[in-house]
Amino acid sequence: AQKVTQAQTEISVVEKEDVTLDCVYETRDTTYYLFWYKQPPSGELVFLIRRNSFDEQNEISGRYSWNFQKSTSSFNFTITASQVVDSAVYFCALSEAEGAGTASKLTFGTGTRLQVTL
Amino acid sequence: GAGVSQSPRYKVAKRGQDVALRCDPISGHVSLFWYQQALGQGPEFLTYFQNEAQLDKSGLPSDRFFAERPEGSVSTLKIQRTQQEDSAVYLCASSWGGRAYDEQFFGPGTRLTVL
Repeated sequence: AQKVTQAQTEISVVEKEDVTLDCVYETRDTTYYLFWYKQPPSGELVFLIRRNSFDEQNEISGRYSWNFQKSTSSFNFTITASQVVDSAVYFCALSEAEGAGTASKLTFGTGTRLQVTL
Repeated sequence: GAGVSQSPRYKVAKRGQDVALRCDPISGHVSLFWYQQALGQGPEFLTYFQNEAQLDKSGLPSDRFFAERPEGSVSTLKIQRTQQEDSAVYLCASSWGGRAYDEQFFGPGTRLTVL
């Protein structure tokens, strides 16, 4: 069975600080996909990034960066120079390669609430 | 075109009432998912459609929950004889192909409160 753990329930930082959100996953599959979604107060989940299990290259997109390490089953997310608009709940999710008749459903962690203040 | 839309956005029901929640996926998206998000938790999978076929309903918590997508587009999640534990946000998502690597596009959710 697949499982995603986000141990940090809530993080508060002051604007311009860097912050890292942790994600640890469990899966028995060798082919899987990891996602990060942002859920602002409006409630709609917004896709941020997808990685497949064969690509451990770290990725940077503006102030966002992701560190994928299969050896520790982690897929951490760093926001550099945080801004108030980054305040939201962030979810890490896992999708396993689907089998016949099953869905490629997402398994989410419990989320990390990030509060960025001035 | 437009994103995933859901209606109503908020629903208050008395215990024992039946409710119907609607999802309009992105046009052309083959796959449609329903998730349940309890307060302070991550979304949890309920059911999955590929076109009009319901291929996976393993996440439906009881036989009071029923979903349909008769024409492979709009979907309805119905909850019969609602209970207080059904209070949650119900999220709908759609994707092009439903493959594991496909991005799922989420709607704003329907917040259901059962009194």
